[in-house]
Amino acid sequence: GAVVSQHPSWVICKSGTSVKIECRSLDFQATTMFWYRQFPKQSLMLMATSNEGSKATYEQGVEKDKFLINHASLTLSTLTVTSAHPEDSSFYICSASSRDIGGNTIYFGEGSWLTVV
Amino acid sequence: GDSVTQMEGPVTLSEEAFLTINCTYTATGYPSLFWYVQYPGEGLQLLLKATKADDKGSNKGFEATYRKETTSFHLEKGSVQVSDSAVYFCASGAGGSYIPTFGRGTSLIVHP
Repeated sequence: GAVVSQHPSWVICKSGTSVKIECRSLDFQATTMFWYRQFPKQSLMLMATSNEGSKATYEQGVEKDKFLINHASLTLSTLTVTSAHPEDSSFYICSASSRDIGGNTIYFGEGSWLTVV
Repeated sequence: GDSVTQMEGPVTLSEEAFLTINCTYTATGYPSLFWYVQYPGEGLQLLLKATKADDKGSNKGFEATYRKETTSFHLEKGSVQVSDSAVYFCASGAGGSYIPTFGRGTSLIVHP
């Protein structure tokens, strides 16, 4: 079945630095991917919709200059957290939709734990 | 707009008990419906799905039926195990650039 891979799974960075998280659809093309943030014991918070070849669409309250999203190809979207601060520490998850027999299915990456120290 | 409502947790059960987690949705059109499971410290995994009315999704002993008349997609399992302890998310989506809609998640705790 369709697979979405996220890398890295775990990353620790110093405050003030930038970190990039990759999201790849391994066996299907995804014109649209979604980036979520999840705080401990809470639901998913949609951050932005990543569109291949165009600018991402950010949800209200999400700083586009801080969370840079690039969807350079049909199989890769990246999220870069710029000038990271400890409050950016969170679990980030991407998803993409694959057209399967009978309909569409949303697949998720494994998630990336970001810790800013 | 579209929404998904699922029962609040935590749901606490003894091993081998029957499980039901309720999920209802509102949507324009006819979305696909999904249940995802998130084990502690991990990402979301697709558990099952249904793409049209009266479809039944099933996997690992879990089942859910797409009920258009009641706009529901309740998750059931006849006999839960300790290893089923996780957070379960109900979701609707139509693919492409259509933003998936998620419930808030229901935590399931199964005691031996």
